[in-house]
Amino acid sequence: EAGVAQSPRYKIIEKRQSVAFWCNPISGHATLYWYQQILGQGPKLLIQFQNNGVVDDSQLPKDRFSAERLKGVDSTLKIQPAKLEDSAVYLCASSFRTGLAFYEQYFGPGTRLTVT
Amino acid sequence: DQQVKQNSPSLSVQEGRISILNCDYTNSMFDYFLWYKKYPAEGPTFLISISSIKDKNEDGRFTVFLNKSAKHLSLHIVPSQPGDSAVYFCAASEGSNYQLIWGAGTKLIIKP
Repeated sequence: EAGVAQSPRYKIIEKRQSVAFWCNPISGHATLYWYQQILGQGPKLLIQFQNNGVVDDSQLPKDRFSAERLKGVDSTLKIQPAKLEDSAVYLCASSFRTGLAFYEQYFGPGTRLTVT
Repeated sequence: DQQVKQNSPSLSVQEGRISILNCDYTNSMFDYFLWYKKYPAEGPTFLISISSIKDKNEDGRFTVFLNKSAKHLSLHIVPSQPGDSAVYFCAASEGSNYQLIWGAGTKLIIKP
């Protein structure tokens, strides 16, 4: 079974530029998550999709971050414009929402973003 | 406000011995707890979980203990192996709000 795919793996941009990350979840997984992990901290949920609908985006800085999930499969996360404090690893995860298995999220390798 | 705390940034253990990783939480409404393991340049992988109706859950070399009165959980790895060297994250969720709240992680180093 193929895992969660993310691209790019690394990205360096200057502040005020824009950037986009792509995620392809595990086939059949209805729930998709985007997390931000700042160095030395645990992952923080930015947005959660159930199929192509947003379940929770309460911690998404909506003035600069946006996300969409096309046809309930792939997802993109965009930052525009980027700030220095956006430097972090952006993790995508998916889960097949059924009973306790819902809690078992499968993560991609992440995209390391550096804003200079 | 850190609701899930892992107070030890790192832990070094001799191969073959027991590794004990600790996690404290402040929200008494948390009812499901998970441990994830993360290798460098990879995403976290699920390790083991426990519901608040239990106080212990075992899976091979891994055992998680939950002390609800102390709001504390721990992960025991016996015996520790070199491949266990990784960062371990504790996470918790509350009822129907399935959002996971994560600790900052503990880096476990297994010495040969």
